[in-house]
Amino acid sequence: SQTIHQWPATLVQPVGSPLSLECTVEGTSNPNLYWYRQAAGRGLQLLFYSVGIGQISSEVPQNLSASRPQDRQFILSSKKLLLSDSGFYLCAWRSDPGEQYFGPGTRLTVT
Amino acid sequence: AQSVAQPEDQVNVAEGNPLTVKCTYSVSGNPYLFWYVQYPNRGLQFLLKYITGDNLVKGSYGFEAEFNKSQTSFHLKKPSALVSDSALYFCAVRDIYSGGYQKVTFGTGTKLQVIP
Repeated sequence: SQTIHQWPATLVQPVGSPLSLECTVEGTSNPNLYWYRQAAGRGLQLLFYSVGIGQISSEVPQNLSASRPQDRQFILSSKKLLLSDSGFYLCAWRSDPGEQYFGPGTRLTVT
Repeated sequence: AQSVAQPEDQVNVAEGNPLTVKCTYSVSGNPYLFWYVQYPNRGLQFLLKYITGDNLVKGSYGFEAEFNKSQTSFHLKKPSALVSDSALYFCAVRDIYSGGYQKVTFGTGTKLQVIP
């Protein structure tokens, strides 16, 4: 069966510091992968999606970037964090015909 | 363009009573529809989906949802609510003709509170 991992689970970072969040998927090949941000425990904002290695599309221009160095690895990064980057970050992979399976999330607090 | 609306920010229901969480959608073609549940500080969990076929879809934990094309709705239901059902519920839609990476649009979520 497929499993999706995210780490770290929680992170407290000062404004201006860099960020790297990692997501890995087991049990499937060439998955479509997604990064979402959830603010205030509510709506999901799609940040990035990837259909394959090195293929990244951004939904919202912002302070973040994403990379997919391996088939089942998806990384969310920032060079300099802003206060507004705080939130709950979720990675997901998509099965056919469209349901998504989410990781446990990373709670990021920028201070 | 596709969109989904969850008109209720919060739904309160007594334990043992039936529950309904509402969802309406808008797509240009035929929809794929999904429900997810999120417990505090956890990722979303897939509950059920409508692709085609029977309008009544059964999913995990005793939940079901009814697809109504004329009303463009996909309400989530359960005959008897449990306190453990208290969580945040998300409806999501994808247009089957969306192509590309098959973007899914999520609703804003409905908080379900089951009162003992």
